[in-house]
Amino acid sequence: NAGVMQNPRHLVRRRGQEARLRCSPMKGHSHVYWYRQLPEEGLKFMVYLQKENIIDESGMPKERFSAEFPKEGPSILRIQQVVRGDSAAYFCASSLQVNLYEQYFGPGTRLTVT
Amino acid sequence: KQEVTQIPAALSVPEGENLVLNCSFTDSAIYNLQWFRQDPGKGLTSLLLIQSSQREQTSGRLNASLDKSSGRSTLYIAASQPGDSATYLCARREAGANNLFFGTGTRLTVIP
Repeated sequence: NAGVMQNPRHLVRRRGQEARLRCSPMKGHSHVYWYRQLPEEGLKFMVYLQKENIIDESGMPKERFSAEFPKEGPSILRIQQVVRGDSAAYFCASSLQVNLYEQYFGPGTRLTVT
Repeated sequence: KQEVTQIPAALSVPEGENLVLNCSFTDSAIYNLQWFRQDPGKGLTSLLLIQSSQREQTSGRLNASLDKSSGRSTLYIAASQPGDSATYLCARREAGANNLFFGTGTRLTVIP
């Protein structure tokens, strides 16, 4: 049973470009969470999605960031017009259900904006 | 304001020593608490999950406890090994919330 998969593992973008980060949850998991870890800081929640629905985006920056989890395929975190401050590790987690179950994390995507 | 604090920020111990990592949180309305380890440049590995109705969980050499009234959790590692060297994170979930609130972690080094 494969764990949570994220790709790419490393992504380099120039300022102003778009970054697309992908997350495939564990088999059977329909709840996906995105977290961001800025350098020397703890992980911060960004968004929680179920299939085709954004449930909680209270941690998402108001501009340039969007997320989706389509009926088929991976969840996508999209960052438009990246800036240097977007450089961070972006982690995806999935769970079987939202409350009682553990969140399982992927290996992360390390975004570097040059 | 919800805060999760982990002290110390860094800890070095000789191999074989038993050790305790601390996690404290400001709000007692906790639903569950999860301990993770993070290796440099890697993702998070879940170690233990404690529901609010539980007081402790054990897995191998690891034991995690939860005291809601005092807002504290501890992770006990017995007979530490160099392979235990990593950053240990605790994360709490509040009742009704969808996400985890993370502490900033304790960086553990076990010296052979």
